[in-house]
Amino acid sequence: GAVVSQHPSRVICKSGTSVKIECRSLDFQATTMFWYRQFPKQSLMLMATSNEGSKATYEQGVEKDKFLINHASLTLSTLTVTSAHPEDSSFYICSARGSQGFNNEQFFGPGTRLTVL
Amino acid sequence: DAKTTQPTSMDCAEGRAANLPCNHSTISGNEYVYWYRQIHSQGPQYIIHGLKNNETNEMASLIITEDRKSSTLILPHATLRDTAVYYCIVLYNFNKFYFGSGTKLNVKP
Repeated sequence: GAVVSQHPSRVICKSGTSVKIECRSLDFQATTMFWYRQFPKQSLMLMATSNEGSKATYEQGVEKDKFLINHASLTLSTLTVTSAHPEDSSFYICSARGSQGFNNEQFFGPGTRLTVL
Repeated sequence: DAKTTQPTSMDCAEGRAANLPCNHSTISGNEYVYWYRQIHSQGPQYIIHGLKNNETNEMASLIITEDRKSSTLILPHATLRDTAVYYCIVLYNFNKFYFGSGTKLNVKP
């Protein structure tokens, strides 16, 4: 299957700082990327959908000014958590979907664990 | 968007078949059923998907009932490495995955 990477794999930051997480599709062009958040012992919650070159679509209840998403190329999307607070500590996972031949299958990255002190 | 219902957890003996059920009674005619699994602290891994017909690949088989209101994922010979949370997802509007709570499969020696 296709490979999606995330960087960093884990990050610890101080409250009030901003953190950027990168999501890359390594061997295919991802027309659509998705960002999820997962709290301990819970399921994945879809945060937003981004299409290359356009603004992200956020799910209800997700603050677009706090979670900035950029999908500037067909292989890279970034999620920036602005002014992070301890309650933003979570496991952030991206997925990517190609334009052809993937039957709408999403390929998931390995996740980024964010800890805000 | 179609919701899915899965048992919270299941046990399976190593080497035996694991049958994981999923109810999706509100599924629409053109919505696919996908199965993913998540091993602890990793990203979800694709297993299989289907629309109407039963499907099989190197990992598993997917049995979808004729009315499409439920499905069963079958791992034919479960190993300890199959211990994971298994998610049954209905693809909404050909676009988004909304994950349910999944089934924690415990494969025991």
